[in-house]
Amino acid sequence: GDSVTQMEGPVTLSEEACLTINCTYTATGYPSLFWYVQYPGEGLQLLLKATKADDKGSNKGFEATYRKETTSFHLEKGSVQVSDSAVYFCALSNRDDKIIFGKGTRLHILP
Amino acid sequence: DAGITQSPRHKVTETGTPVTLRCHQTENHRYMYWYRQDPGHGLRLIHYSYGVKDTDKGEVSDGYSVSRSKTEDFLLTLESATSSQTSVYFCAISESRMANTGELFFGEGSRLTVL
Repeated sequence: GDSVTQMEGPVTLSEEACLTINCTYTATGYPSLFWYVQYPGEGLQLLLKATKADDKGSNKGFEATYRKETTSFHLEKGSVQVSDSAVYFCALSNRDDKIIFGKGTRLHILP
Repeated sequence: DAGITQSPRHKVTETGTPVTLRCHQTENHRYMYWYRQDPGHGLRLIHYSYGVKDTDKGEVSDGYSVSRSKTEDFLLTLESATSSQTSVYFCAISESRMANTGELFFGEGSRLTVL
């Protein structure tokens, strides 16, 4: 079945450092790919998405490119802030009404 | 912010008792979902609904039932709570099918502790 694998955390970085959170997927066909973010004490919210190969999703300085050849959707940001501290979830949807989430990666940004 | 209200937000109960969690939306979205979030497992789908009285199972549906008698309400019931059902439960809604790149909007979560 379809699945999402993302790097385990926690990831700890200093403010202004570069961020990459790896995500790979297994799916038949052409899934849509998402990154969701969960701030402390809140529900998840959509950060960015991409619906076809080579699409780049971007929001709040974060970017991710849909790479079909490597089945990847890595999340990147050039300069992180303390306010980016959160849990990040990679996810996919494929031909039905459901979305499948990865296990999440906790990110800590130190001032 | 999407109008999603979960109740109760916190509940402590004992093993063997029934528990019902309620999700109420004011967005008139067709799709509603119940997830549980546990350390090391991320989010796992319990049940979902694609319309009034139309529901289907997710990947961890054993021990749970749902009902949707109105567009705005989606109830999750634990008929006989067990300690393994201690978790944070999230309701989510979507206007369109996820396969059509629909976006999920989440409630704030309900923390359930089963002693």
